[in-house]
Amino acid sequence: DAGVTQSPTHLIKTRGQHVTLRCSPISGHKSVSWYQQVLGQGPQFIFQYYEKEERGRGNFPDRFSARQFPNYSSELNVNALLLGDSALYLCASSLTGALSNQPQHFGDGTRLSIL
Amino acid sequence: AQTVTQSQPEMSVQEAETVTLSCTYDTSENNYYLFWYKQPPSRQMILVIRQEAYKQQNATENRFSVNFQKAAKSFSLKISDSQLGDTAMYFCASRDGNTGKLIFGQGTTLQVKP
Repeated sequence: DAGVTQSPTHLIKTRGQHVTLRCSPISGHKSVSWYQQVLGQGPQFIFQYYEKEERGRGNFPDRFSARQFPNYSSELNVNALLLGDSALYLCASSLTGALSNQPQHFGDGTRLSIL
Repeated sequence: AQTVTQSQPEMSVQEAETVTLSCTYDTSENNYYLFWYKQPPSRQMILVIRQEAYKQQNATENRFSVNFQKAAKSFSLKISDSQLGDTAMYFCASRDGNTGKLIFGQGTTLQVKP
């Protein structure tokens, strides 16, 4: 079975642009979470979606938004890009939502570089 | 708010020896889960081991085991018979039982030397 897939793998943008990152969860998984990992640090939680509804939001500005589609895939959108948005963006999926010990399985991430 | 702290930025161990990575956490939740993830240079975050907070028995997965001290809010990872493929960055994480989000520590870079 395929794992969590993310696209694109690498992306270069300039300040002020907009970017859309995509994630397909493991088949059967209904929850998708997004994390930002700045180089040398641990991932920071951005969003969690379960059954197409937002179930959690981290401490990120409104420039960050996301959605989950009926097939449980997800998009992360970032507007008005800043240099500080340069990071590895990780998507993780799990079978169910919060009240579960099911672990989150991660994709390979999208490396976003802002020039 | 939940916090996770890893106080060892870097560690090294000789192949076949045992190493312990430290992690402490702080939470007011009663229902939470703890995880260790491994991130090799290929950058994919791989689950190593998990522990339910309500279970007193320490989790084990082959060469990997944890020492879970709930009262001390400590969750260390022991790697036995270290292998070159264990070289990676290791993250300790706490999962909020209400929101499901993972709170990660700063990571420990482990190098296994031949």
